[in-house]
Amino acid sequence: GENVEQHPSTLSVQEGDSAVIKCTYSDSASNYFPWYKQELGKRPQLIIDIRSNVGEKKDQRIAVTLNKTAKHFSLHITETQPEDSAVYFCAASKISNFGNEKLTFGTGTRLTIIP
Amino acid sequence: EAQVTQNPRYLITVTGKKLTVTCSQNMNHEYMSWYRQDPGLGLRQIYYSMNVEVTDKGDVPEGYKVSRKEKRNFPLILESPSPNQTSLYFCASSLLAGQETQYFGPGTRLLVL
Repeated sequence: GENVEQHPSTLSVQEGDSAVIKCTYSDSASNYFPWYKQELGKRPQLIIDIRSNVGEKKDQRIAVTLNKTAKHFSLHITETQPEDSAVYFCAASKISNFGNEKLTFGTGTRLTIIP
Repeated sequence: EAQVTQNPRYLITVTGKKLTVTCSQNMNHEYMSWYRQDPGLGLRQIYYSMNVEVTDKGDVPEGYKVSRKEKRNFPLILESPSPNQTSLYFCASSLLAGQETQYFGPGTRLLVL
């Protein structure tokens, strides 16, 4: 099955600097890659996603890039702010052999913004 | 208000005592899923459902059962809970299967003694 690896597991950056989180996936048939943010004690929430027919997507300070050849995708957060402190999860999904879809998550990155 | 609800939010039980965690959504979503979250392991999919009466195994289905008799509800059943099922459980739903925003419930923290 699909395997998603996420690095780093923890990341600390100074407020105002950029943060980059990287994920790799194993199944070349995966075609949808969402990123979820989970604040302490809260539920995960989608912050951005990308589909395999697109190489990059931006939403204000957040961007995601996808390299299908290398099977990796990254989350970029610019001008980081204290409220960006959270755990971030990448994920990958595809149509399985039976037409259904599974979503496989990475193990998460705990991002800490240092004031 | 559009939402996914789970009950109970917290549960302490003993090994072998059957329990059910309910999940309900009011957004008319077709796709529903259960995840467990454990430190260092991220979110792992237990079961998912593409629509009523259609369910399939995720990555960690052992020890769990689900049913989808109506669109809005997707209960998670632990027939004989064991301590290794102590975890934080999330239900999620999306409008269509998989490739849409998944909306998560508030989570159920389960402790099996």
